[in-house]
Amino acid sequence: DIQVTQSPSSLSASVGDRVTITCRASQSISSSLNWYQQKSGKAPKLLIYAASSLQSGVPSRFTGSGSGTDFTLTINSLQPEDFATYYCQQSYSFGQGTRLEIK
Amino acid sequence: QLQLQESGPGLVKPSETLFLTCTVFGGSISSSGYYWGWIRQPPGKGLEWIVSIGYSGYTYYNPSLKSRVTISADTSKNQFSLKLSSVTAADTAIYYCARDFGYYRTDAWGQGTLVTVSS
Repeated sequence: DIQVTQSPSSLSASVGDRVTITCRASQSISSSLNWYQQKSGKAPKLLIYAASSLQSGVPSRFTGSGSGTDFTLTINSLQPEDFATYYCQQSYSFGQGTRLEIK
Repeated sequence: QLQLQESGPGLVKPSETLFLTCTVFGGSISSSGYYWGWIRQPPGKGLEWIVSIGYSGYTYYNPSLKSRVTISADTSKNQFSLKLSSVTAADTAIYYCARDFGYYRTDAWGQGTLVTVSS
């Protein structure tokens, strides 16, 4: 089984900041990595698929990069609505989640 | 607009079988290129992908749950269903039905339904 390890588990930032969340796979997965945002009490929302493709309707301040084993989700110029929990996913394995909180 | 809605018992006894149905509105589960499946989330914890079924009937499972999981689809009702057998308290979770467009890219979700396993 391929495992994905996400870091950090939590993060504090301010509106306007740039933040980066990382996901590492236990072996090469090419670009088969997706990113989701989940707000409290809601279903997750797909942000990025295939490591770097922006899902339709998602603001361009969200960018994904990486290939092989190391991936990043970057959020530029944080907005109030971006404070949520973020998950990476490789096939049936999800990362542990990163909780993004307001500083 | 595509909508997915889960239905089923909110309480299941240990050792019994959990059964949930997802009804799809605004789209057809027979559409090529899409897969329909289930993902769960224990309260306060992370996501766990369970199983999906494709338009051709092809199914793919999380290996850790495969022995207890059955998925089926009823195209006449535009529904698909999950059966999870021999449940324990560890199966208590919010269960989401969802659609993916291949490679586990899940772009549509139901609102989720909480299933509690307790006697």
